Amino acid sequence: DAEITQSPRHKITETGRQVTLACHQTWNHNNMFWYRQDLGHGLRLIHYSYGVQDTNKGEVSDGYSVSRSNTEDLPLTLESAASSQTSVYFCASSESKGGRTEAFFGQGTRLTVV
Amino acid sequence: AQTVTQSQPEMSVQEAETVTLSCTYDTSESNYYLFWYKQPPSRQMILVIRQEAYKQQNATENRFSVNFQKAAKSFSLKISDSQLGDTAMYFCAFYGTYKYIFGTGTRLKVLA
Repeated sequence: DAEITQSPRHKITETGRQVTLACHQTWNHNNMFWYRQDLGHGLRLIHYSYGVQDTNKGEVSDGYSVSRSNTEDLPLTLESAASSQTSVYFCASSESKGGRTEAFFGQGTRLTVV
Repeated sequence: AQTVTQSQPEMSVQEAETVTLSCTYDTSESNYYLFWYKQPPSRQMILVIRQEAYKQQNATENRFSVNFQKAAKSFSLKISDSQLGDTAMYFCAFYGTYKYIFGTGTRLKVLA
């Protein structure tokens, strides 16, 4: 079965360190997204991609970067982790064509910056 | 820019009763989709129901139905015969130009 997986599920890192969260999907979807979930804010869009070599900034992109070198993966990098980036991170993917427009989500990564 | 508003941070309902979760949105687009996602304590995001804006008929999935009022930009979720397993956070989401915008969520607790 197709799926979307995130790794790691939990991570603790120190302030100032570079951190990369992995996202891998086997749906062969063109669209991929990174969100962060914080109490009172719901899910906020960090970065998104509509295909290989395409990346776009979302509403809370400062301090984050992504790259899309293939269809399956969209890793999220925190250049210099800050305590304000402690959050739960979700990766999602969707197909832009056809009838299925819903986003499929990974299990989430809980990141703690100490 | 599109916005999605869920004005009920928390709600509770007795088991077997009916509850309605509210969602309003703002957009200038004419072609879009609306979703309700459920997030149980496991943290997994689960699609509950989907509505295409061009369809006048309200979507229904078993005990879940929506009241879609396009002119009012309102998209509420009705859960009938509530079950303990419905306890979760519920997110309303808008999908327009290839982006999903989420509301802040409503935490629903079903009481035994």
